[in-house]
Amino acid sequence: GAVVSQHPSWVICKSGTSVKIECRSLDFQATTMFWYRQFPKQSLMLMATSNEGSKATYEQGVEKDKFLINHASLTLSTLTVTSAHPEDSSFYICSARRTGNNSPLHFGNGTRLTVT
Amino acid sequence: DAKTTQPPSMDCAEGRAANLPCNHSTISGNEYVYWYRQIHSQGPQYIIHGLKNNETNEMASLIITEDRKSSTLILPHATLRDTAVYYCIVVNNNAGNMLTFGGGTRLMVKP
Repeated sequence: GAVVSQHPSWVICKSGTSVKIECRSLDFQATTMFWYRQFPKQSLMLMATSNEGSKATYEQGVEKDKFLINHASLTLSTLTVTSAHPEDSSFYICSARRTGNNSPLHFGNGTRLTVT
Repeated sequence: DAKTTQPPSMDCAEGRAANLPCNHSTISGNEYVYWYRQIHSQGPQYIIHGLKNNETNEMASLIITEDRKSSTLILPHATLRDTAVYYCIVVNNNAGNMLTFGGGTRLMVKP
């Protein structure tokens, strides 16, 4: 069964509004979670690394003030797209890993964001 | 992390084995080979991973060459539900665990 839960699975919002996406690790604690973005017909691109209890680490070109990440507990990370614009429309995917050597990253089922 | 090269697309007949190749000629000794797949509009699904020995699980087999410069993912009896984009990723498990996705191989299983 799913080990990483993402919510909502899709959302439509108006330009200028903010949208929050939740990522939960089920039955395990994740000190680190990763947020990816995927545009149509493209591969996944890492946006940021979410660290429990500390600031997220953003990839080059990703605006930290626009994509707010909060990792307040060991099982929950949230990504807030602030002042969304149509160009932010994309498929957002989170991932988390059980602690322990060689444990693979597991991904949520993604959130399709459409900004009108 | 070492880069990987995969064919952009492949076809496979339903019920036959699907063999998906991956080149990772610059892989280093502490890097693992991971395979994920992504079915349309879903998050990536973990399939299998290995370091240097061949691996098998309920989903697939992973064959890694002795020099570790390439590997092959084998789906022994492909079904229509196996149609997806398959990603071969090489990662150092001590480097933060993030995965860098390339273009992958779009596998089309045909009836």
